[in-house]
Parts: sequence; C-alpha cells; structure tokens
Amino acid sequence: IQMTQSPSSLSASVGDRVTITCRASQGIRNDLSWYQQKPGKAPKLLIYATSILQGGVPSRFSGSGSGTDFTLTVSSLQPEDFATYYCLQDYLYPRTFGQGTRVEIK
Amino acid sequence: EVQLVESGGGLVQPGGSLRLSCAASGFTLGSHWMTWVRQVPGKGLEWVANIRKDGTTIYYVDSVKGRFTISRDNARNSVYLQMNSLRAEDTAVYYCARDANYYDGSFYYDVFDVWGQGTMVTVSS
Repeated sequence: IQMTQSPSSLSASVGDRVTITCRASQGIRNDLSWYQQKPGKAPKLLIYATSILQGGVPSRFSGSGSGTDFTLTVSSLQPEDFATYYCLQDYLYPRTFGQGTRVEIK
Repeated sequence: EVQLVESGGGLVQPGGSLRLSCAASGFTLGSHWMTWVRQVPGKGLEWVANIRKDGTTIYYVDSVKGRFTISRDNARNSVYLQMNSLRAEDTAVYYCARDANYYDGSFYYDVFDVWGQGTMVTVSS
C-alpha cells in the first residue's frame, strides 16, 4: 500500500491552523497513525487508529478520516511543533509510511 | 523508566553482516510485538520488520527478505536484527520500537509508543 502525503512541506506561523493530508493507494479502514520527528531524534507517536490521541500529546493535534483519505490537523501551531510529520498504515504488511511533511517556520 | 537502546551499528563492506541489538528496560518485553524501522539520513522512514510477542510470527519488507532476520530473547529483554548480504542501500539509522497494540474490540492497531535513539549502519567499501 502506497501512502502519499501532501504537501511535502509547508511554511506556517505560530498560531496558524495546519492540515496535513495522507492518501492511501487502497482502503485501509481506519488503520492509520501519525508520527512527529525532529532533527536527530526518534519519531514520536501522536495519533493512532486515525483519531486517538496518544497520552501526553497536546489536544491541538487531531486526526480524522477513513478508507483512503486522512488528515492531521494542528489547531494552533506552537514553536515546538515545527518538525516533520509522517503517516503510517497498519492495515496490511508491509507497513508503509508516507514520505513525510516538513513544517517550517514562516 | 521505559526505554529501548539500540547497539551494534557501524561501518561494514558491501556483502558483509551486522547484528543489531535492542535492549528493553522498564517494561515486560514479552508483552509486546517489536518492530524495526530505518531511515536513510535526510530521507523518510521505512518499516523493516516486526516480530510477535513470543517470536512465532514475523513479517519483513520485501527489500530485506532473505537477507535480514529479526529475533528476540524475552528472557534477556532483547530484540535483534541480523543483517546479511548488506548493500549500500541498507545504509540508514535503524530504530527499534515497541508496539503497544491497541484493540478496540474488533481490530488491533499498531501503536509504536516507545522508540530507541537509533543506531547508524553504513555500508560502504
């Protein structure tokens, strides 16, 4: 299953609402998670099963979607949110990540 | 503290072998599926392999099938990735991750909630 994220990168300001899209090449039910990665660090789980927020993750992060189209939304971007975001499908093997979306400071 | 620590990376010639280890602490390893993910520097993440709690079920990405072997020793709190016939394209940071496996009453979901710091593997002559 191929996962395509859009955009590949975006520039935004603190306080902006940001939406990242992930599209699967076939239906994956709601078997999708989102990870945040900062340079030189391991990925960090944000959301799993499309919309369940991992413990300790701020509520400004949310996820939605089903089937082939999914979104990660950050309601009000904070300085610590500038990072690269990846979606991951766990519907079929092999698991596959999206190519990543880099969120930069405008 | 719940922690994963990878080791065993380094420089190896094409065709060579390396064995990566992932040491778990702060939780019961035998209660979790475990996964290896890799990342070419400056590039995206790639899922590599995973292994069931008791080691009886294993999956690989096609590009490593027949060359890599994932295994585990729950008594030693460790997961391993034996990498043979290494190629330049295997050069990457390798992460191990714990799968918390969420079950909603109908389906299981992967939940990679704990990650190691990664170990760098460089395949070059």
